[in-house]
Amino acid sequence: NAGVTQTPKFRILKIGQSMTLQCAQDMNHNYMYWYRQDPGMGLKLIYYSVGAGITDKGEVPNGYNVSRSTTEDFPLRLELAAPSQTSVYFCASRPPGGAGYEQYFGPGTRLTVT
Amino acid sequence: QKEVEQDPGPLSVPEGAIVSLNCTYSNSAFQYFMWYRQYSRKGPELLMYTYSSGNKEDGRFTAQVDKSSKYISLFIRDSQPSDSATYLCAMTLNTGNQFYFGTGTSLTVIP
Repeated sequence: NAGVTQTPKFRILKIGQSMTLQCAQDMNHNYMYWYRQDPGMGLKLIYYSVGAGITDKGEVPNGYNVSRSTTEDFPLRLELAAPSQTSVYFCASRPPGGAGYEQYFGPGTRLTVT
Repeated sequence: QKEVEQDPGPLSVPEGAIVSLNCTYSNSAFQYFMWYRQYSRKGPELLMYTYSSGNKEDGRFTAQVDKSSKYISLFIRDSQPSDSATYLCAMTLNTGNQFYFGTGTSLTVIP
């Protein structure tokens, strides 16, 4: 299994541009999550999904959109990028139940908005 | 008030030392408590989890939860240079839909 994969690894955006961060998992996990990690700020939940067709907002959803048309994929869309969206973005997935609700994280996408 | 508070450190200890990492939280409804380890430029990986109050031991690692004080701890015995990483606490309700992370504590173990 590849686990959780994210593309791209790095990206530089200009203010006002849009982009989609891709996330895919091959473990047939129902739950998927998008987090952002800023220096010294820990992980903040942007959006999550409990299954295909079902998404919900986390702590910091403003400026982002998601969709979940398949179990495997959970893309994150940034519209009108702003410098405040400069961060490292992590996608994660987990099966229902499981040991302590363990989440499996991807390697991250480093995004800079200038 | 933040949901989860964690001292960011950095923490630097000599090899073999006992390390204590801590988090406090505000939501008494949290039921699952986790510790993730994150190496530089990598995604976090689950180290240990505890359900409700109590202790859990796994090798050199011990996790403790005190729900009455809303306080959780991770102890690392006989610390090794390979333990150098950022340690993040996390917690969630019984539903496991949303997870709340601490800011992470950066640990360096010096050989």
